[in-house]
Amino acid sequence: DAGVTQSPTHLIKTRGQQVTLRCSPKSGHDTVSWYQQALGQGPQFIFQYYEEEERQRGNFPDRFSGHQFPNYSSELNVNALLLGDSALYLCASSLGIGRRVYNEQFFGPGTRLTVL
Amino acid sequence: AQTVTQSQPEMSVQEAETVTLSCTYDTSESDYYLFWYKQPPSRQMILVIRQEAYKQQNATENRFSVNFQKAAKSFSLKISDSQLGDAAMYFCAYSPGGGSQGNLIFGKGTKLSVKP
Repeated sequence: DAGVTQSPTHLIKTRGQQVTLRCSPKSGHDTVSWYQQALGQGPQFIFQYYEEEERQRGNFPDRFSGHQFPNYSSELNVNALLLGDSALYLCASSLGIGRRVYNEQFFGPGTRLTVL
Repeated sequence: AQTVTQSQPEMSVQEAETVTLSCTYDTSESDYYLFWYKQPPSRQMILVIRQEAYKQQNATENRFSVNFQKAAKSFSLKISDSQLGDAAMYFCAYSPGGGSQGNLIFGKGTKLSVKP
């Protein structure tokens, strides 16, 4: 049973460019959340997708957008990259938000984005 | 807004000894979860232990246990019989309960070193 996978592993971009990161959830999971982890910091919640719609969003600008596909995989897009966007981007999957029971989030290994 | 604070940037423990990592949080909610995550150099975030706010009994998972003080909004992690493989960044995290699950709020982390 494959866990959460993310691609690519590493990415180098220059300021002003656009980037797309990809995530495949753990088998059986239908909810994907994205987090940004700057160096030496804890992860910060970007947004969450369920049923192909953005359900929750953290305090991130509109330059950060996402998409969820019918097979539950997800993309994170960042436009007009800034130096401050350099970070580890983590994807986490879980089963069915909205349930009034605990749903563990399983994390992927992350994508390291460097903006020069 | 909910916040999570970890006041110990770094901790060190001798192999086979016991160490306690501290965490405080702030929320006005009554329904929430608290977590400790481990992030080794491989970057993959791994759930160590969770605590439901409505449960008075402290959670335990093998060598890992928590001291949950709801009134004081304190949630510490005790690692007994420390092993070399326990060396990692440890993050305390908070999540709203019910239908708002998924928006994990992390502290800045504590780097744990284990000396042989």
